[in-house]
Amino acid sequence: SQQGEEDPQALSIQEGENATMNCSYKTSINNLQWYRQNSGRGLVHLILIRSNEREKHSGRLRVTLDTSKKSSSLLITASRAADTASYFCATGRAQKLVFGQGTRLTINP
Amino acid sequence: DVKVTQSSRYLVKRTGEKVFLECVQDMDHENMFWYRQDPGLGLRLIYFSYDVKMKEKGDIPEGYSVSREKKERFSLILESASTNQTSMYLCASESSVLTGNYGYTFGSGTRLTVV
Repeated sequence: SQQGEEDPQALSIQEGENATMNCSYKTSINNLQWYRQNSGRGLVHLILIRSNEREKHSGRLRVTLDTSKKSSSLLITASRAADTASYFCATGRAQKLVFGQGTRLTINP
Repeated sequence: DVKVTQSSRYLVKRTGEKVFLECVQDMDHENMFWYRQDPGLGLRLIYFSYDVKMKEKGDIPEGYSVSREKKERFSLILESASTNQTSMYLCASESSVLTGNYGYTFGSGTRLTVV
């Protein structure tokens, strides 16, 4: 069953710009995680935010969580060509992760 | 560098064959998971395991079984492969002690084609 839904499905920006992706979910969660997937490869964990946290930073990544709206956003600042990938949010509940369908991010040189 | 290793990157099998997808992790993780990924459907959980010889059904277990005889190895079995099982299969692991703290470690995936 799908829990997280990412928005937009696809995003294309110029190198150096900021990229923002959103995730909405339906039920209560313990945590929300973001993953990156390069074409045809496995997923790589980027950042985790717990349900009692509102914002978290890791390098050029900033994640926010609004549990009242059941939504999260991932901001990538100063984008690079290497950031081109699909990004997935995953909501953690009962020791399992439920993934959304992802946002395809393309960084144009 | 910690790793989750899936034995094959690409696999082509015939309809009706019994298929084994192997996953090995070297992190002494208790929790292991099998997902399949399809365009437009995202990742869907097939089976997971919290310990040796333990298994739990995920959201789409039909047509699959699993085996976990050793802590580091979690195998996904397609008893009789069908064309609708053509997909990317992803294995992941996680420490049960660190559940909800550090996220999953994924393998590189196995792209299975059933003809």
